[in-house]
Amino acid sequence: AQSVTQPDIHITVSEGASLELRCNYSYGATPYLFWYVQSPGQGLQLLLKYFSGDTLVQGIKGFEAEFKRSQSSFNLRKPSVHWSDAAEYFCAVGAGTNAGKSTFGDGTTLTVKP
Amino acid sequence: KAGVTQTPRYLIKTRGQQVTLSCSPISGHRSVSWYQQTPGQGLQFLFEYFSETQRNKGNFPGRFSGRQFSNSRSEMNVSTLELGDSALYLCASRVTVNTEAFFGQGTRLTVV
Repeated sequence: AQSVTQPDIHITVSEGASLELRCNYSYGATPYLFWYVQSPGQGLQLLLKYFSGDTLVQGIKGFEAEFKRSQSSFNLRKPSVHWSDAAEYFCAVGAGTNAGKSTFGDGTTLTVKP
Repeated sequence: KAGVTQTPRYLIKTRGQQVTLSCSPISGHRSVSWYQQTPGQGLQFLFEYFSETQRNKGNFPGRFSGRQFSNSRSEMNVSTLELGDSALYLCASRVTVNTEAFFGQGTRLTVV
């Protein structure tokens, strides 16, 4: 069975500081990996995805993530955080033709200090 | 291009009633998935439809059902509502089954 672990429930960073959100997954084959962001009371917005190829993927809003197969990780990074990045972030793993049954992590809430 | 549209945005129902939620996917998207989001359980997969057929189903009781129409619009129904069904119900659409998902803003269901 596929699973996703986001070890950090809550992270606080200062505006302008760098950010890394951790994601570890468990899946038996090459996974489809996603990062989503959710603002309070809203749906999820896709930040970036990894299906295959280059292990460093670029997303929207200046985010990037690196797929490391040996560590079963797909950490999200941003070099300089903006106050508007405060939200909840979800990592998800799907499996090819079962991407529609994606499994989500429990989320990491990001607080940005001025 | 319009995004995923979920209606209604908010619902208050009484325990024991039933409810139907609607999802209109992005034009051209044929796959629709439904998720339940609660503070305690997080995001949990309910079911996925593609071309009017249910492809996958999560671990929810039979009170939760869904369907997809020929225009790819989808509905989910919850019968005999329980207090624990209070949640944000999210719909996601995909072009096809192995592409990224685009989510609607959700329907906030409160059962009293």
